[in-house]
Amino acid sequence: KAGVTQTPRYLIKTRGQQVTLSCSPISGHRSVSWYQQTPGQGLQFLFEYFSETQRNKGNFPGRFSGRQFSNSRSEMNVSTLELGDSALYLCASSSGTSLGEQFFGPGTRLTVL
Amino acid sequence: AQSVAQPEDQVNVAEGNPLTVKCTYSVSGNPYLFWYVQYPNRGLQFLLKYITGDNLVKGSYGFEAEFNKSQTSFHLKKPSALVSDSALYFCAVRAGDSNYQLIWGAGTKLIIKP
Repeated sequence: KAGVTQTPRYLIKTRGQQVTLSCSPISGHRSVSWYQQTPGQGLQFLFEYFSETQRNKGNFPGRFSGRQFSNSRSEMNVSTLELGDSALYLCASSSGTSLGEQFFGPGTRLTVL
Repeated sequence: AQSVAQPEDQVNVAEGNPLTVKCTYSVSGNPYLFWYVQYPNRGLQFLLKYITGDNLVKGSYGFEAEFNKSQTSFHLKKPSALVSDSALYFCAVRAGDSNYQLIWGAGTKLIIKP
């Protein structure tokens, strides 16, 4: 099976811009979770989508949003970028059950200037 | 509140020695416990999980973890460390059958010295 893919791998944006990141999960997986990883804050949960519905949400401002399509592919959008949004954004897919482990993509490295 | 603690930011071990990376948790309900590893400049990889059954679970790359319910711990272990084990290790817990969100520890940097 192909793994989790994320595009783009690298992005450079300026403050105030918006950005959209994409994640294609493993075939058959219905759950996609998004995380922000920074050296100081570790791994922070953004949100999880299951069958096109947001099932869980972390403590991020409304500038961070996401969606999931009928083929389970997911996008994450960040509006009005701030310098502090610079981070590695990781996507993880799973079957969606409570027993299932998550499989991570390589991440998108976002730099905000 | 549910939480996971990895009390050591960094663990240093000499190659060939046994290693332990500690994890304790606090959840209501039965915990489902996971360990992940992140090698430099790469995404996270699943190592092993505990759902039920034997308290000692075996995973990838020779790692194992011991679930201790009374101490609410799930420490990661390996009998003989390799330099290639140097990486960032994360413990995570999911609380019970009806809770799908993973709660993550802060991560422990493991350094294996030749």
